[in-house]
Amino acid sequence: QSALTQPASVSGSPGQSITISCTGTSSDVGGYNYVSWYQQHPGKAPKLMIYEVSNRPSGVPDRFSGSKSGNTASLTISGLQAEDEADYYCSSYTSSSTQVFGTGTKVTVL
Amino acid sequence: EVQLVESGGGVVRPGGSLRLSCAASGFTFDDYGMSWVRQAPGKGLEWVSGINWNGGSTGYADSVKGRFTISRDNAKNSLYLQMNSLRAEDTALYHCARDRNVDTAMPGSDAFDIWGQGTMVTVSS
Repeated sequence: QSALTQPASVSGSPGQSITISCTGTSSDVGGYNYVSWYQQHPGKAPKLMIYEVSNRPSGVPDRFSGSKSGNTASLTISGLQAEDEADYYCSSYTSSSTQVFGTGTKVTVL
Repeated sequence: EVQLVESGGGVVRPGGSLRLSCAASGFTFDDYGMSWVRQAPGKGLEWVSGINWNGGSTGYADSVKGRFTISRDNAKNSLYLQMNSLRAEDTALYHCARDRNVDTAMPGSDAFDIWGQGTMVTVSS
């Protein structure tokens, strides 16, 4: 099972919006609404930000939103803040009854 | 406080074995499926294995199938990963993680809402 494809890096200024893409296949992202997004700060455990494509867990700011079109899922951060600087990973359930993560995206706040 | 604490990591030679443990507290452990997720130094996340709430269903990444075995002891609120025939590419920080929903039928199908800090496994001669 190959990792989902994410851009290596995305940057934006405070207050701007950025979008991170996550491209898979019809056997994972395109086939299921089980796409999640995680935020990971250096030296910390990942934190769940979005589940089932577009749902936010309690406590996650509404600046974070998720969507999906075909085989590509997206995470949008609106009103970018300094504390959003981190690595972000998507994940999806697969037709092989496994879970696959994305390659990861480093978000830099300029 | 809801918490997962991993242990059992260390340095092992190629071909060797290691057993990781994950102690859960602060929630009803036997309501939830669990998984192991690893991260090689400087690399991304990789799902390794998952198990449903009662241990009746398990799943493995192709990279570890046949070498690793996941199990759980609900009476001890503990999750385990038996790792055999270890390779250099298994070197990573191993996290245990909890499914977001209770009673998830298929291991690996759910998002993970609680993560442990991880235990480091180094495979080197």
